[in-house]
Amino acid sequence: GAVVSQHPSWVICKSGTSVKIECRSLDFQATTMFWYRQFPKQSLMLMATSNEGSKATYEQGVEKDKFLINHASLTLSTLTVTSAHPEDSSFYICSAATSGSKSSSDTQYFGPGTRLTVL
Amino acid sequence: AQKITQTQPGMFVQEKEAVTLDCTYDTSDPSYGLFWYKQPSSGEMIFLIYQGSYDQQNATEGRYSLNFQKARKSANLVISASQLGDSAMYFCAMRALNTGGFKTIFGAGTRLFVKA
Repeated sequence: GAVVSQHPSWVICKSGTSVKIECRSLDFQATTMFWYRQFPKQSLMLMATSNEGSKATYEQGVEKDKFLINHASLTLSTLTVTSAHPEDSSFYICSAATSGSKSSSDTQYFGPGTRLTVL
Repeated sequence: AQKITQTQPGMFVQEKEAVTLDCTYDTSDPSYGLFWYKQPSSGEMIFLIYQGSYDQQNATEGRYSLNFQKARKSANLVISASQLGDSAMYFCAMRALNTGGFKTIFGAGTRLFVKA
């Protein structure tokens, strides 16, 4: 199956700093990528939908100025957590959908996730 | 509005036995897809099985089968011959094509414990 990578797999940072997380589709082109966050023992919550070459669409309640998303190419999307605070500590997961098709059956391929800890 | 409900926070099953994980959904969209994912403690999301709203037959993938009851809006996952490696979180998810865009929403998850 298709492979999606995330980097870094974990990061610890000081409060107030910015952290960039990369999501890459390794063997396919992804027109659409999704960013989720997952708190311990909870489900995945969609933060934003990222389309190559256009602005991301954020879910209600997600601060777009705090969570900057860039989808510069068909294989790379980045999430930058700006001025991170302890409450931003979470597991961030990206997923990518194969390009072109918009059917309900398109499988999303998930990255392995990035665990962010803000001290 | 679309919603996925998983009412079982945790389930126990004896090794080699079958287990059913419940999932109900709500959508007014006639075109939708239902998915099950497994999330082991490492965190990665592993795709297990897919069922389309227009599919006439229940989906099967190896030891996984999806008991799709459209009128009841349920999409239960059945794992046959459970193995110790099946212990993980399991998420039911849905994508509604017309009204949900291309977004997938997830249920709260069920943690499965397989006993030796």
